[in-house]
Amino acid sequence: AQSVTQLGSHVSVSEGALVLLRCNYSSSVPPYLFWYVQYPNQGLQLLLKYTTGATLVKGINGFEAEFKKSETSFHLTKPSAHMSDAAEYFCAVSKVGFQKLVFGTGTRLLVSP
Amino acid sequence: NAGVTQTPKFRILKIGQSMTLQCAQDMNHNYMYWYRQDPGMGLKLIYYSVGAGITDKGEVPNGYNVSRSTTEDFPLRLELAAPSQTSVYFCASSPGLADTDTQYFGPGTRLTVL
Repeated sequence: AQSVTQLGSHVSVSEGALVLLRCNYSSSVPPYLFWYVQYPNQGLQLLLKYTTGATLVKGINGFEAEFKKSETSFHLTKPSAHMSDAAEYFCAVSKVGFQKLVFGTGTRLLVSP
Repeated sequence: NAGVTQTPKFRILKIGQSMTLQCAQDMNHNYMYWYRQDPGMGLKLIYYSVGAGITDKGEVPNGYNVSRSTTEDFPLRLELAAPSQTSVYFCASSPGLADTDTQYFGPGTRLTVL
């Protein structure tokens, strides 16, 4: 069975600092990996996804994530945090032949001035 | 282009009452999903549909029913509301063309059962 672990339910950074949100997955077959963002009182929207090919994936709003098979990780980074990045971030996994996502428990990013 | 819409935004139910959460999409997507989001638990899949007339259970289907008579609509029915069904419910849709399709989410329905 597939699963996703997000380390840290809350991450606090200062504006301009590096953002690092951690995601580790468990899958018996090569997975597809996704990061979604949820702004307050809104639905989720896709930040980026890894399917095949290049392991460094760039998404919207300056975020990127790197698929590391040897570490079973797909951590999300952004070089410089902005106040508008404050939101909850979800890592999710699916696999070939299935369009069902398995979500992690989420990490709330807090950005202070 | 409205995307995925959900009604109502908020609802308070008494134990044992029933209600239907509405979901509609205008993107002609084949696949539709219902999730519930509980604090600290992420999203759990309740039911999904791969096309009109075809539905299947997800991870947490107990206490819920769905139907899909059209491509656009995918209502979720709660027959006998229980406090354990207090949650935020999200509907989503995807084209259904590839395993890597993006899912598009509605704004959610916040349900409280007292």
